[in-house]
Amino acid sequence: QQQVKQSPQSLIVQKGGISIINCAYENTAFDYFPWYQQFPGKGPALLIAIRPDVSEKKEGRFTISFNKSAKQFSLHIMDSQPGDSATYFCAASMLPNEKLTFGTGTRLTIIP
Amino acid sequence: DAGVTQSPTHLIKTRGQQVTLRCSPKSGHDTVSWYQQALGQGPQFIFQYYEEEERQRGNFPDRFSGHQFPNYSSELNVNALLLGDSALYLCASSPTGFEAYEQYFGPGTRLTVT
Repeated sequence: QQQVKQSPQSLIVQKGGISIINCAYENTAFDYFPWYQQFPGKGPALLIAIRPDVSEKKEGRFTISFNKSAKQFSLHIMDSQPGDSATYFCAASMLPNEKLTFGTGTRLTIIP
Repeated sequence: DAGVTQSPTHLIKTRGQQVTLRCSPKSGHDTVSWYQQALGQGPQFIFQYYEEEERQRGNFPDRFSGHQFPNYSSELNVNALLLGDSALYLCASSPTGFEAYEQYFGPGTRLTVT
């Protein structure tokens, strides 16, 4: 019940295209859903996050869509650029300062 | 404003040895969490420290222990190292507060056990 399932495992998108990564969760007590971006040899960097009281949040080219009834959320990267090539992790937590439960990651490659 | 810092960057130890990793939180943050990230996997929560006490603990054996100092910096200690302990160890810091959900990660310490 603590798991967060992420798909796809890897994704190749052409430059300028839309990258979409999906996550699903079981525990309805989860109350915070962040996305992290990680480059090789670096720590995860917080990209964007959402709470269940809204269905969508947009920051620049990055958008989170949240479907509370389906217990799913997704990251959309518009106008994908080669610099977006990285591993992306979704995560969830139940309370402020609660531990983060991470998905298994998606390796995104943007090709010219 | 310095972010989360960790030391050392890389470490090579032999099976059975003990290791100490260090973390300084982001300015203004008083809560420190430690995560283990095996190659190709998502980070796994080890434990969290607040007010110098362990507040939460994940599914890790007692060989993993920690400490938080009055300046909020923290240490992760691992005893009797196993080959399976080879991983990237990440420290994350966060402020305390009703809406304090965000956790910011450091660059990690790459531990290799031979």
